[in-house]
Amino acid sequence: QQKVQQSPESLSVPEGGMASLNCTSSDHNFQYFWWYRQHSGEGPKALMSIFSDGDKKEGRFTAHLNKASLHVSLHIRDSQPSDSALYFCAAPMNYNQGKLIFGQGTKLSIKP
Amino acid sequence: EAAVTQSPRNKVTVTGGNVTLSCRQTNSHNYMYWYRQDTGHGLRLIHYSYGAGNLQIGDVPDGYKATRTTQEDFFLLLELASPSQTSLYFCASRTANSDYTFGSGTRLLVI
Repeated sequence: QQKVQQSPESLSVPEGGMASLNCTSSDHNFQYFWWYRQHSGEGPKALMSIFSDGDKKEGRFTAHLNKASLHVSLHIRDSQPSDSALYFCAAPMNYNQGKLIFGQGTKLSIKP
Repeated sequence: EAAVTQSPRNKVTVTGGNVTLSCRQTNSHNYMYWYRQDTGHGLRLIHYSYGAGNLQIGDVPDGYKATRTTQEDFFLLLELASPSQTSLYFCASRTANSDYTFGSGTRLLVI
């Protein structure tokens, strides 16, 4: 079964608005998380990783991690049409750091 | 710039056919991965490798073989393709502490 669950499945946000994506793990072995973004016709590309509880900000993107609840979120402020993409949350299995487990993805659409 | 190149970009084969998907990375990365992407399932790991000659079984390995011939080259083999293997396949590479670098994908249709 999926050990990394993402919500919502899809999200539509007006241009300039705030997009919030969520990810929950069912495995306490997951110690840190990655966010990946995939534009149509391309492979996924790493956006950012988060290792510590709290917020991590990179430009318009802010990730928030709560290890106790195994919840990580991604917030995109001032959303742009170029942010329209499929977003994946991923976590490495603690006992096997080479293997990333991906969520099922959130499709984000930014409406002009 | 780090690069992962997959070939072919698109492939159509018949049920029972033999297919090889190729992946080459020029990143000097040790780890290489094969994933399949299907709507509603995200990316699922098929096989992966820690280096030339090494193979590890992923989460959805049935019907697939893989071979890592060199540090750069990782192949995915479907010896008796089935329609359930119709999917978008991605290869990726990384070092021990880096993020994944993905290729552009191979779209496979089994008819």
